[in-house]
Amino acid sequence: AQSVTQLDSQVPVFEEAPVELRCNYSSSVSVYLFWYVQYPNQGLQLLLKYLSGSTLVKGINGFEAEFNKSQTSFHLRKPSVHISDTAEYFCAVRSQGGSEKLVFGKGTKLTVNP
Amino acid sequence: SQTIHQWPATLVQPVGSPLSLECTVEGTSNPNLYWYRQAAGRGLQLLFYSVGIGQISSEVPQNLSASRPQDRQFILSSKKLLLSDSGFYLCAWSSGQGARETQYFGPGTRLLVL
Repeated sequence: AQSVTQLDSQVPVFEEAPVELRCNYSSSVSVYLFWYVQYPNQGLQLLLKYLSGSTLVKGINGFEAEFNKSQTSFHLRKPSVHISDTAEYFCAVRSQGGSEKLVFGKGTKLTVNP
Repeated sequence: SQTIHQWPATLVQPVGSPLSLECTVEGTSNPNLYWYRQAAGRGLQLLFYSVGIGQISSEVPQNLSASRPQDRQFILSSKKLLLSDSGFYLCAWSSGQGARETQYFGPGTRLLVL
């Protein structure tokens, strides 16, 4: 079984500042990793995913994440945030070769202040 | 392109009343379908998933049930709602071609049980 820990439930930052949202996972097998974003009262939108290959993954809206297998982490970063990035961000994992079921973290609410 | 619809968008129901939430997917065939519930501060919890018509797997014992009467239709039901059924319900689909495939989410239904 897999589990996901998002260490920060809330992250406030100022506009144009860099941000890192942390995600650690636990799994006895190899996994695929995903970050989703949820704007208020909306569904989830895929930001980026790691399936294989380069451990640095670039996604939409200027976000990127780095897979670190030794630290079992998949932290999300953006060098300069905008007000419009205010949303909740979810990290998720799925076992390779197994079912398609995703296991989600509890989410990190990013608030970008002017 | 594929789209996923959920309705209603918002629902207020009294305790003990029945429930029916509908999810439909367009632009794909034989998708895997999922129902998630999102409660405040608890992330997303997988409730049911389906790999085909009439095939439903339940992840968590509860007051809810799911059905898949058609290939691209997924219904979440309850005979008698509880206060604890309140939350944001999200439907998702994936292509069913393996663990590498992305899950795509609908806009969600917000349910308030009073």
